[in-house]
Amino acid sequence: DGGITQSPKYLFRKEGQNVTLSCEQNLNHDAMYWYRQDPGQGLRLIYYSQIVNDFQKGDIAEGYSVSREKKESFPLTVTSAQKNPTAFYLCASSIVRTDTQYFGPGTRLTVL
Amino acid sequence: QQQVKQSPQSLIVQKGGISIINCAYENTAFDYFPWYQQFPGKGPALLIAIRPDVSEKKEGRFTISFNKSAKQFSLHIMDSQPGDSATYFCAASISSNYQLIWGAGTKLIIKP
Repeated sequence: DGGITQSPKYLFRKEGQNVTLSCEQNLNHDAMYWYRQDPGQGLRLIYYSQIVNDFQKGDIAEGYSVSREKKESFPLTVTSAQKNPTAFYLCASSIVRTDTQYFGPGTRLTVL
Repeated sequence: QQQVKQSPQSLIVQKGGISIINCAYENTAFDYFPWYQQFPGKGPALLIAIRPDVSEKKEGRFTISFNKSAKQFSLHIMDSQPGDSATYFCAASISSNYQLIWGAGTKLIIKP
């Protein structure tokens, strides 16, 4: 089955800790994205990557970091610098220069 | 100028009725307008999309109406069913950069 997997589904973090969210896709898509979703708000873009070893900041990149060492993988690290990290995080992918984005099932991060 | 304004925030419709969700935009450079459907705890999935060269697009019970002069587009769900209960997001993008700008979402509840 082709698709996007995110792990873990739920993640709990203590204040001051960095955590890494996994995103893997086997759709052979070049572009990958990370979004943050908060209740009552639309999706906000954190980072995106259109090619391996290259990525760009989105609207809310502060306190987050990413890497794109493989086409299939685009992990997101939520650092201790992110002041309010509790949210639902969504990874997506697309064929470069097309409009349709395909989403993973999400990771719900809670800071204790 | 980059915003997409979505209304209403929540909507309750009787089974068999018509659900209508509206979106408005300011940036006339937008040329792709998708609607995504999201069930609780899942990632959004593309439902239907339209480009400004047509005023209406229909897929099954779902129809997008597009008014270029008013800079508005709407989603109509005919014969609404309890299985349609979900959060719906409109979005817009410019094909030259493929970055989606998202509305805040509408939580739709279909009462049996």
